[in-house]
Amino acid sequence: EPEVTQTPSHQVTQMGQEVILRCVPISNHLYFYWYRQILGQKVEFLVSFYNNEISEKSEIFDDQFSVERPDGSNFTLKIRSTKLEDSAMYFCASSWGTGRGYTFGSGTRLTVV
Amino acid sequence: KNEVEQSPQNLTAQEGEFITINCSYSVGISALHWLQQHPGGGIVSLFMLSSGKKKHGRLIATINIQEKHSSLHITASHPRDSAVYICAVASNTGNQFYFGTGTSLTVIP
Repeated sequence: EPEVTQTPSHQVTQMGQEVILRCVPISNHLYFYWYRQILGQKVEFLVSFYNNEISEKSEIFDDQFSVERPDGSNFTLKIRSTKLEDSAMYFCASSWGTGRGYTFGSGTRLTVV
Repeated sequence: KNEVEQSPQNLTAQEGEFITINCSYSVGISALHWLQQHPGGGIVSLFMLSSGKKKHGRLIATINIQEKHSSLHITASHPRDSAVYICAVASNTGNQFYFGTGTSLTVIP
């Protein structure tokens, strides 16, 4: 069964550094998403991406964050100048229609120290 | 303000029991999702509903659009069903998703 692949599974970074989280969505999917789950809290929507542009973003997704689909297969989340409170599990997801065929990746655990 | 409320927060059941998890939401939606989060953190999509009822194996999901309520049922529960079950709704105003806080299910042999 097709999978959404996220790398790395765990990343540790120094506060103030930039990190790039990578995702390979399912190949025929058109919609791409990033979510965040801080330890012990609920999953939060960050951003959705369609047709090479952001279609929706939450209040969390401020100028510190950016997304890109650089080569038609990867979907990346860049976090600039990381803060301690950015430590969380970051999930990528993709779907072939709005909410259809929705598949999550297994997540990247980001630890900012 | 929680757009999605789930109950119960925690649930312990004996193997074989019938389990129900409830979800209420306050926004207009295009679809409702039930997700399963394993202890290792990975998330699996179980169902997407926009009306009626869906069944997959021992899992049944229902939605009542008028009452803004959905239920996830597990028949003949098994210890491998132990996980966090999350209700999430896709708003009908865009591509925004709202998540419930999850129901932590433990099934005891």
